[in-house]
Amino acid sequence: DVKVTQSSRYLVKRTGEKVFLECVQDMDHENMFWYRQDPGLGLRLIYFSYDVKMKEKGDIPEGYSVSREKKERFSLILESASTNQTSMYLCASRFQLVLNTGELFFGEGSRLTVL
Amino acid sequence: AQSVTQLGSHVSVSEGALVLLRCNYSSSVPPYLFWYVQYPNQGLQLLLKYTSAATLVKGINGFEAEFKKSETSFHLTKPSAHMSDAAEYFCAVTSPGGYNKLIFGAGTRLAVHP
Repeated sequence: DVKVTQSSRYLVKRTGEKVFLECVQDMDHENMFWYRQDPGLGLRLIYFSYDVKMKEKGDIPEGYSVSREKKERFSLILESASTNQTSMYLCASRFQLVLNTGELFFGEGSRLTVL
Repeated sequence: AQSVTQLGSHVSVSEGALVLLRCNYSSSVPPYLFWYVQYPNQGLQLLLKYTSAATLVKGINGFEAEFKKSETSFHLTKPSAHMSDAAEYFCAVTSPGGYNKLIFGAGTRLAVHP
């Protein structure tokens, strides 16, 4: 069975703390993504990685960085958490198909609250 | 630039009634279109996708969607709603090739009442 696992379902952090969100997939997918989900805004792409050590900025990369040292793992880092980063974070992965039609497989999400 | 508009952030239907969730897209190139569903406390999963083959696409759980280029629409329908269909539904668009992003709509929350 396809599996994308996010390390923490719920986190509470304080303003200024460094936060790591981890995502692991077991499907040998090339592409991995971090989205942020907010009510009324849908999903917004933060960063994506099309292969190991590769990364591209999405629509809202400010305040975030990522790391992909191994194919199965994609980490989202908040260098200094702020209250406006309180949100649901979703990780996804997919095979890189030539015509970009691949299905995204999502983790269950990490709900981050920054106090 | 591509974008997706989902009309109606909340839709409520009776069990057994028709489900219609609206999605309009904007794209300067031929689009690929997707519907994803998110059940409470879960990630998203694919319902169906249009990738330039048949314009009427059938998905899981009895859902289908029709691509209408003239109307730039990709509305999701199901003839008879079930209580288990209560969830949030997202329409998304991308374009062929490269590492093009998947752009999501704001989502429509479907409530099904007895």
